[in-house]
Order: sequence, then structure tokens, then C-alpha cells
Amino acid sequence: AQTVTQSQPEMSVQEAETVTLSCTYDTSESDYYLFWYKQPPSRQMILVIRQEAYKQQNATENRFSVNFQKAAKSFSLKISDSQLGDAAMYFCAYGASYDKVIFGPGTSLSVIP
Amino acid sequence: NAGVTQTPKFRILKIGQSMTLQCTQDMNHNYMYWYRQDPGMGLKLIYYSVGAGITDKGEVPNGYNVSRSTTEDFPLRLELAAPSQTSVYFCASTRGGVNTEAFFGQGTRLTVV
Repeated sequence: AQTVTQSQPEMSVQEAETVTLSCTYDTSESDYYLFWYKQPPSRQMILVIRQEAYKQQNATENRFSVNFQKAAKSFSLKISDSQLGDAAMYFCAYGASYDKVIFGPGTSLSVIP
Repeated sequence: NAGVTQTPKFRILKIGQSMTLQCTQDMNHNYMYWYRQDPGMGLKLIYYSVGAGITDKGEVPNGYNVSRSTTEDFPLRLELAAPSQTSVYFCASTRGGVNTEAFFGQGTRLTVV
């Protein structure tokens, strides 16, 4: 069965600094999709970034980028120039079969002014 | 655009009571999902639907039922509520399958006492 692991329950970063959140997954599929979602205190889930497994190039969205290591089944999220608004729960998610997305347990990120 | 709307936002149930969590989306998405979020556990898939009239079980379906009579609506029914069903419930929809962005409702915090 596919699983998603986030080994850092909590992380903190100084404002304007860079932080990396870790995610690993287990799968026997070759074609799949990976996501990072952000959940601020409002509870609204927001897509941060998406990566197709068949693409070797790492996805980037403004200050957010990923380090996708397919062989190692690793998908980390790097947040550059951290801002107070980045404080949230971050969920790594995996989707392979056409109809289900599996979420990791989440990492709570605090941003220190 | 309203996106995905869930009602109610909060609810307290007594053990053994039943209730329906409502979910409506106005994006004409075929795929809809119900997740529950427990602290430190991420989101667990309860049920999902790939179109009107089609539903299937996720990871944790026991104690729940769903129906999908229209593209817009995907209600989640709790029968004989138990304390183990205390959680935050999220409804989500996607235009396609797992390769597309999921849009989430704002969640329903349910407490069973």
C-alpha cells in the first residue's frame, strides 16, 4: 500500500530565512503525482506546488520549490525568504491510481519574526 | 465563485445520533472526496466519487455512508455516531483525477459526546 511519511511534526524558521520540509513516500507505481498543500489556521487547504513523477525537473512556484528524488522516493519542499504568512500546517500528498490522493501526517511550520 | 461549500461548520452529536454533512461544489467537477483529519494523522480518505451515481470506499469508510445523485452534491452520512468519529471533516473536489488540484471546503468540526 502507498504511504506518505513526514518525519518532522514541527519546524520553525526565522523570518526571511529558508526552511526545508521533508517528505518520503512508498510506492511501486512508476507514474504518479506529488503535492504540497498548506493549511493555515483558517483550516482552508491550499495547493502550494505539484510535481509529476515523469518530469525530472523540479517544480518551482515563486518562493516555493521542491527537491524531487524519484529513486529515493523523496519529495522535500523548500521555502525561501520565509514570511509570517507561511506559518501553517504543510501536508505532502501522493496520487497514483486515477482516483485517490494519500496525505502525510503534516508538518507544523512556525515563522519567528 | 463559491468553490466547495460544507455545512455545518461545527456540530456536537450525542452517541448514537445520526447526521448528514453537506457538501456542494459549483465548479462542475466530476471527482469528489470526503476526508477526516485527526491530530497528527493527516487526512484519511473516507469515501470518494468519480461521478454522479458512482461512489467507492476509501481508507476509513466504516460508520459512514455517501450518495452522489448529482454532480454538485456529495453528502456524508454518519449513522450511530461514536466518540471515535470526533474529527474535522473535509470535502474536496477535483476536475480530473489525482493529477489535478484538489479544492477543499473549510471543514466541519464534529464532536461526539
